[in-house]
Amino acid sequence: NAGVTQTPKFRVLKTGQSMTLLCAQDMNHEYMYWYRQDPGMGLRLIHYSVGEGTTAKGEVPDGYNVSRLKKQNFLLGLESAAPSQTSVYFCASSYKGGTEAFFGQGTRLTVV
Amino acid sequence: QQQVKQSPQSLIVQKGGISIINCAYENTAFDYFPWYQQFPGKGPALLIAIRPDVSEKKEGRFTISFNKSAKQFSLHIMDSQPGDSATYFCAASTVRSGYSTLTFGKGTMLLVSP
Repeated sequence: NAGVTQTPKFRVLKTGQSMTLLCAQDMNHEYMYWYRQDPGMGLRLIHYSVGEGTTAKGEVPDGYNVSRLKKQNFLLGLESAAPSQTSVYFCASSYKGGTEAFFGQGTRLTVV
Repeated sequence: QQQVKQSPQSLIVQKGGISIINCAYENTAFDYFPWYQQFPGKGPALLIAIRPDVSEKKEGRFTISFNKSAKQFSLHIMDSQPGDSATYFCAASTVRSGYSTLTFGKGTMLLVSP
């Protein structure tokens, strides 16, 4: 049972480049989330999904897009990367909204 | 507006001592209060959680104390060990709404010295 798997684990982008982060969960969870973690800022919610085909904005959605075409996958896209998007990104999933969230191992993204 | 305020930002405790981390919330609709533990290079993982109908929950060396009237809750780690060195996040949500998400505090870096 893999839980929540994120790919890639590390990535370096040049300013203006685009990329997609992939999150996959095998727990049949309805809810999926993307957070970013920055020193001293805690975990901030970027976007989330309450089920296949749905997405919603979190606390810091600007500069990001998401898609949930399949229940087990949640993709986070950066259309034009900026240095301010240098961060560690975590995907999580939960059975129900606001309950125990299971996190992936994170993706460390550096934008130069 | 920060809905969950966590303190201290960092904490150093000697082995065998008690670690105490505090959180305060503003939204009285919150009905689920978990604590997450994160080791370097790993994702956060649920440590212990409490609902507002009880004032205390204990799991091994970890205890959550909850004060509904003061809108505060805290994590106590008894007999702290070097292996407890990690970042701890408190969080809150409104489970009964059915569409809630977790709101996290900013985290506390705990170092337990040998």
